[in-house]
Amino acid sequence: QKEVEQNSGPLSVPEGAIASLNCTYSDRGSQSFFWYRQYSGKSPELIMFIYSNGDKEDGRFTAQLNKASQYVSLLIRDSQPSDSATYLCVLYNYGQNFVFGPGTRLSVLP
Amino acid sequence: ETGVTQSPTHLIKTRGQQVTLRCSSQSGHNTVSWYQQALGQGPQFIFQYYREEENGRGNFPPRFSGLQFPNYSSELNVNALELDDSALYLCASSLGRLAGGNEQFFGPGTRLTVL
Repeated sequence: QKEVEQNSGPLSVPEGAIASLNCTYSDRGSQSFFWYRQYSGKSPELIMFIYSNGDKEDGRFTAQLNKASQYVSLLIRDSQPSDSATYLCVLYNYGQNFVFGPGTRLSVLP
Repeated sequence: ETGVTQSPTHLIKTRGQQVTLRCSSQSGHNTVSWYQQALGQGPQFIFQYYREEENGRGNFPPRFSGLQFPNYSSELNVNALELDDSALYLCASSLGRLAGGNEQFFGPGTRLTVL
């Protein structure tokens, strides 16, 4: 079983809709969780991080963490075409550093 | 504030050769991590340097080695290149060893092609 799993996509949503990106992980010792965005041909950039169970909101983005279910998600409200990118789910384990998932390609259709 | 820079941008090598990739960390950052990103995949952690010492290593063979200098810039060296080493190599810098929410900032990457 891979450490971090994501649907590769592409996930297509119309402009203005909510995009829901999901991620599951296998290591229950994972401590911190991150979402990075990567545009084609560019390097990853941090969107949000979350440590505790529940929701964390930042502008149009909401990260959700459920450690019991080993599940983390990212919701993007009012999706824009500029949100079209690959979204990388990343977990941090002390001693193992960052473990990246394969990414989900999001396409927001105008 | 100067961001993370990497050189060269692109590189073509042949199998068996050696390569050195360079990274300058963001101003004030003392930690550098290196990642390999194959096409269509997420980045894979190679190793991290904190204050000139290796501070964690991923599942990569010893022919992948690194160095961090007193100014916190870093090099990634790969010996005996194999075709599967073709990838985008990303450098990321942060302040302090990666723990909790210490954000790491990525450079633009070096695209290595091994023929």
